[in-house]
Amino acid sequence: DAKTTQPNSMESNEEEPVHLPCNHSTISGTDYIHWYRQLPSQGPEYVIHGLTSNVNNRMASLAIAEDRKSSTLILHRATLRDAAVYYCILRQNNAGNMLTFGGGTRLMVKP
Amino acid sequence: DTAVSQTPKYLVTQMGNDKSIKCEQNLGHDTMYWYKQDSKKFLKIMFSYNNKELIINETVPNRFSPKSPDKAHLNLHINSLELGDSAVYFCASSQELTSGQETQYFGPGTRLLVL
Repeated sequence: DAKTTQPNSMESNEEEPVHLPCNHSTISGTDYIHWYRQLPSQGPEYVIHGLTSNVNNRMASLAIAEDRKSSTLILHRATLRDAAVYYCILRQNNAGNMLTFGGGTRLMVKP
Repeated sequence: DTAVSQTPKYLVTQMGNDKSIKCEQNLGHDTMYWYKQDSKKFLKIMFSYNNKELIINETVPNRFSPKSPDKAHLNLHINSLELGDSAVYFCASSQELTSGQETQYFGPGTRLLVL
C-alpha cells in the first residue's frame, strides 16, 4: 500500500471540532482512503473511507483534496471517548485485503 | 454478541513453549486476518486467509502458523516461543472484496507475554 504521513499527536478541547490531516502524495487513482482508530487497550475500529468525494457518517466526515494527495478526518464535536490513535490507510484494489498501518496520530482530548 | 472474539485475553508463558490463540467471528465474513502490535504500538499484518488463499507477510517466522477449522475460525499457533514474540495479537475479519472498500472488524486482542 502507498505511504501516508500523519502528525504524531494532536490535542483538542472537548466539544470542539478536530481536523486530523493525512498526506498521501503517492496515492494512485484506484486507492481508497480509509481511517481507523484504536481506543486504549482495544482493537482498531473502522471510522470512514472514501475515494474522491467527501464522505459523512455518524462517526465523522472525510474531506478529500481535489488532487487526492491529502485528506482530513473531521470529528465535529470531540468527546473524551474520541481520545485514540487515528490511522489513515490507503487501500489498493486487489491488494490482498491486508491493511498496512502507519504510526497514526494520537489524539488527546482535554475536558 | 461480540462480532470478533479472541481467547485468551491474556497469555503468559515460558520461552520455548508452544501456544495457540483462538479467534472466532460471527459476521459471516469470508476472510480473516492476524495482526501483531509490538511494544512500540506498530500494527503489522501477519496473515490474510480465506477458503481459497493464505497470504503470509514474508517477515513472519515459520514458527507462526494459522489454522482454520471452518470459515468462522482462524487460530494462531506459535511454536518455540521467543521473548520477541511478546506483543498484542489482533484477529480481524472482513468480506472478501477486491475493490479496496472492505471494512475490517477487529477483535479485542490477546496480550502475550513470553518470559
